[in-house]
Amino acid sequence: SYELTQPPSVSVSPGQTANITCSADKLGDSFTYWFQQRPGQSPVLVIFQDNKRPSGIPERFSGSISGKTATLTITGTQPLDEADYYCQAWDSNSLVFGGGTKLTVL
Amino acid sequence: EVQLVQSGGEVKKPGESLRISCQASGYTFSAKWIGWVRQKPGKGLEWMGIIYPGDSDTRYSPSLEGQVTISADKSITTAFLHWKTLKASDTAMYYCAVVGHPINFGVSGTFDFWGPGTQVTVSS
Repeated sequence: SYELTQPPSVSVSPGQTANITCSADKLGDSFTYWFQQRPGQSPVLVIFQDNKRPSGIPERFSGSISGKTATLTITGTQPLDEADYYCQAWDSNSLVFGGGTKLTVL
Repeated sequence: EVQLVQSGGEVKKPGESLRISCQASGYTFSAKWIGWVRQKPGKGLEWMGIIYPGDSDTRYSPSLEGQVTISADKSITTAFLHWKTLKASDTAMYYCAVVGHPINFGVSGTFDFWGPGTQVTVSS
């Protein structure tokens, strides 16, 4: 089955840049999306179609893709960005999520 | 404004049946895909399937097909997730979510709007 691989955890100091990666053999065959899920809350879309931000998402969130790896970058990370982050892509007719990355801001 | 109201939490026994619901408003229900995502305790997001209420076209995750049924009732703008026989491993939070833009299967499409979730607990 198709798997999107994310690091289980990433740590960053406040004000620094956090990079969360998502890799797969066929990444790039479809668009990549990113979700933020704070504890006890529903997921929120923060990046769509590789690098676009929905309205209301702060400019410090950005997305990029290079080869078989997509990256979510949070510039000037704030304590409120501490959350789980999931990438999502498509494999044929199936929507697939990555395993998730816990971002700790400390 | 898209709003998704999900039914309340459920506690059931293994072997029982269950249907949970997701009532949508703020958009043309029949014109957008709506789907379900499972999240087991302490685990990640898992796509279950989606339905296009306009023509009831339904797609399932290969790993879950046959274990659940997704349906929609246009007259009450509500999507449903149904189990005939629950198992303890079905214990999870279940989110409904709407695909805001047209899907190009295999290429593009995502859940732009999410409901608050329905907690399902299956325990003897």
